[in-house]
Amino acid sequence: QVQLQESGPGLVKPSETLSLTCNVSGDSISNYYWSWIRQSAGKGLEWLGRIYGTGHANYNPALKSRVTMSVDMSNNQLSLKVNSVTAADTAVYYCARHRLDGLDIWGQGTLVTVS
Amino acid sequence: EIVLTQSPGTLSLSPGERATLSCRASQRVPSNYLAWYQQKPGQAPRLLIYSTSSRAAGIPGRFSGTGSGTDFSLTISRLEAEDFAVYYCQQYGASLTFGGGTKVEIK
Repeated sequence: QVQLQESGPGLVKPSETLSLTCNVSGDSISNYYWSWIRQSAGKGLEWLGRIYGTGHANYNPALKSRVTMSVDMSNNQLSLKVNSVTAADTAVYYCARHRLDGLDIWGQGTLVTVS
Repeated sequence: EIVLTQSPGTLSLSPGERATLSCRASQRVPSNYLAWYQQKPGQAPRLLIYSTSSRAAGIPGRFSGTGSGTDFSLTISRLEAEDFAVYYCQQYGASLTFGGGTKVEIK
């Protein structure tokens, strides 16, 4: 079955760039949209944006200037970069498959602390 | 941006009771593209309902969704022990936004 696994540094310094990877197994990333979502401690869910397997991306307008998403077809991976991070970017970051019927498969999430 | 407001913030119920959760949008949700997710502590959200009323694969029949336009609801007909969790609505008709969540706790 399709599985997603986020990975990356758990600690990032303020003003630097947060970089995460989402490894997708069980299906080709070229066939779907893929979203990144984050969740701050005790808070709700915030959608960061989505990217199609071809590389076309849509971003949350609130974060658009700081977020970049890309795909690596050869490794079936997605990547997320958030630049100029502050403590407010501390959160669990998830990748998820984004279909017309919603975000149907999620990774387990990875905690990133900005400090 | 479509803002989703969920109510109540917390719902205290006993197993076997019926739970009704509300999600109100600040403007009409295009194509009624409204989904519901369940999240338990330490886990990723799980898709329950999409397109307002369609159950996702493997979701029990006690979960149902209704609504249109700006008012939507999720009903759990008879709460089971594993249903106590936080529930989020999400619209994906215009960009994508989530509601703030409703916690369903054991009374």
